[in-house]
Amino acid sequence: EPEVTQTPSHQVTQMGQEVILRCVPISNHLYFYWYRQILGQKVEFLVSFYNNEISEKSEIFDDQFSVERPDGSNFTLKIRSTKLEDSAMYFCASSHASGRARFTDTQYFGPGTRLTVL
Amino acid sequence: AQKVTQAQTEISVVEKEDVTLDCVYETRDTTYYLFWYKQPPSGELVFLIRRNSFDEQNEISGRYSWNFQKSTSSFNFTITASQVVDSAVYFCALSEANNNAGNMLTFGGGTRLMVKP
Repeated sequence: EPEVTQTPSHQVTQMGQEVILRCVPISNHLYFYWYRQILGQKVEFLVSFYNNEISEKSEIFDDQFSVERPDGSNFTLKIRSTKLEDSAMYFCASSHASGRARFTDTQYFGPGTRLTVL
Repeated sequence: AQKVTQAQTEISVVEKEDVTLDCVYETRDTTYYLFWYKQPPSGELVFLIRRNSFDEQNEISGRYSWNFQKSTSSFNFTITASQVVDSAVYFCALSEANNNAGNMLTFGGGTRLMVKP
């Protein structure tokens, strides 16, 4: 069964460093998402991406964050200058639907990347 | 603005007991979708069910059942004859269909279910 994959599973970085989290969405999916979950808290939406551009972003997704689909398979989240409060689990998700149907489809999540900022 | 509330932060039951996880949502849209996801101790988010706002039929899948009631804005999840493997955090989530910008999911705070042998 197709699944979303994410690398690395765990990333440790120093405050102020840039990190890139990588995701491979399910191959025939058209919408891509990043969410984060600070330890013990709820899952929070960061950004959605469709047709090579951002569809929506939350207040969390400030200028320090960027997303990219550098090729036909990968979807990346970059944090330019990490802060301690960026420590969290980052989930990538993808969904298939296009057009009006995009509001109906299920988002399938990857296993997450645990980011630890020291 | 959309909001999802899971008032039960933690529930502990003994194996074989039935347990219901509550979910209450708020939305101004008439068309929306509700979801349940399971997060086992390994940390991934596993999709369980999707429901649209026009379909109020209850659904049963094995030991799992869902009760959707628009009148009370609730979408509760019941596990019958719970097992130790059901121990996880369960998240309820909402997506508004009239959101033109990307189908974001709004999650509740989650309910941690512990099933003891």
